[in-house]
Amino acid sequence: EPEVTQTPSHQVTQMGQEVILRCVPISNHLYFYWYRQILGQKVEFLVSFYNNEISEKSEIFDDQFSVERPDGSNFTLKIRSTKLEDSAMYFCASSASRQYGYTFGSGTRLTVV
Amino acid sequence: GQNIDQPTEMTATEGAIVQINCTYQTSGFNGLFWYQQHAGEAPTFLSYNVLDGLEEKGRFSSFLSRSKGYSYLLLKELQMKDSASYLCAVGPSNTGGFKTIFGAGTRLFVKA
Repeated sequence: EPEVTQTPSHQVTQMGQEVILRCVPISNHLYFYWYRQILGQKVEFLVSFYNNEISEKSEIFDDQFSVERPDGSNFTLKIRSTKLEDSAMYFCASSASRQYGYTFGSGTRLTVV
Repeated sequence: GQNIDQPTEMTATEGAIVQINCTYQTSGFNGLFWYQQHAGEAPTFLSYNVLDGLEEKGRFSSFLSRSKGYSYLLLKELQMKDSASYLCAVGPSNTGGFKTIFGAGTRLFVKA
């Protein structure tokens, strides 16, 4: 069964450092998303990406965040200057259609120290 | 804004049936989704309701009433492996939005 792949599975970084989280969505999917889940809390929307541009973003997704699809397969989330409160599990997801359910990657656990 | 309410926790017995309810205060969305999330893992898609009524998928069924702002997930013949969080989610908006909004989830404990 096709899957969404995320790397790394764990990342520990110092406050103020830049991190890049990587995702390979399912190859024939057109819609890509980043969500995060702080431990014990709900899954929160960060950003959606379609047709090579951001289609929607949340208030969380401020100037410290950016997304890129540098080639036909990778989809990255960059956090420019990490803060302690950025510590969370970050999930990438993709879907074939805007209305369909998502396939989530297994997540990257980001710990900012 | 969008508000999605689900019970925080439920406990049920192996082999039984359990219904997890979800109410929401939002309108103009395309569909209502249910996801399963085991501890420490990613959510996995279970079901999707666009129209009012019941959608059945094996041991899992989901119901939607848009006029009542209400959905439920029904799990039959419960197994120990069904112990997980069940997330109710709505979206995307039918005015051109892309995001799906998740509820906080209901943690289901299945006991022997």
